[in-house]
Amino acid sequence: EPEVTQTPSHQVTQMGQEVILRCVPISNHLYFYWYRQILGQKVEFLVSFYNNEISEKSEIFDDQFSVERPDGSNFTLKIRSTKLEDSAMYFCASSEGTGLAFNEKLFFGSGTQLSVL
Amino acid sequence: DQQVKQNSPSLSVQEGRISILNCDYTNSMFDYFLWYKKYPAEGPTFLISISSIKDKNEDGRFTVFLNKSAKHLSLHIVPSQPGDSAVYFCAASAGNTDKLIFGTGTRLQVFP
Repeated sequence: EPEVTQTPSHQVTQMGQEVILRCVPISNHLYFYWYRQILGQKVEFLVSFYNNEISEKSEIFDDQFSVERPDGSNFTLKIRSTKLEDSAMYFCASSEGTGLAFNEKLFFGSGTQLSVL
Repeated sequence: DQQVKQNSPSLSVQEGRISILNCDYTNSMFDYFLWYKKYPAEGPTFLISISSIKDKNEDGRFTVFLNKSAKHLSLHIVPSQPGDSAVYFCAASAGNTDKLIFGTGTRLQVFP
C-alpha cells in the first residue's frame, strides 16, 4: 500500500537553529499538508499546498515557517529560527484532491518528532 | 479555541463489548466529520466519516452517529477487539476548506 514517508523520525535542535523536515507524499497525490501535535494537545493544521503554492495556512504558520516542493517527489517544511514552543510531532499528509470528498482520503506520514532545546 | 472537543481522554472496554467514543463541536459551519485512529509511532489513519446531511454511517464494526442539533457525534465500535486499542481523533471540516480541525483524542484500551 502506498504511504507517506517522513524523515527524520526524530530531530533535536538548538533554539534559534534552522530545521528542515522532509516528506515524500504518495506519488499521484496533488495536495500536501503539514499538521503538528504538541505533546498532550490536539493535532493542528499548519498549511496546505497545491500547484506549487500555499493554498491555506493557519495562524501558527508565521514568517518563520515555509514550505517547498523542491522536486517532483519531496515536500519540505522549514522552520528558520526554532523556538522552544516549536517542539512537537510534525505530520505530513497528502491527498489526491481536496474538499469534502477527499478529506477522508488524507494519508498521514508517521511524523517527525522535533525537540528544540 | 476548542472547536472540536473530546472530553474523555481515555476509555477502557472489555473485548466483545461496545466502545462508544464521543465528540462535541461548537462551529455550526462544520459539515463533514471524520474519525481517525492513531497507533503509537504512526500517523493518524482514516477510519470513518459522515456528512452533515446524514445522521448515521456504518462500516463493518464501526458506526458514526451525528446529532446536529446537539452538535455531537459518536463512534461506536462493536464488538470491540484488542487491536482497536489506539488513540481516536474526531475531526471536522467546513465547506471546501483544506483544513481539518481535530479534537484532543481519546485513548481506547480494549482488554481481554
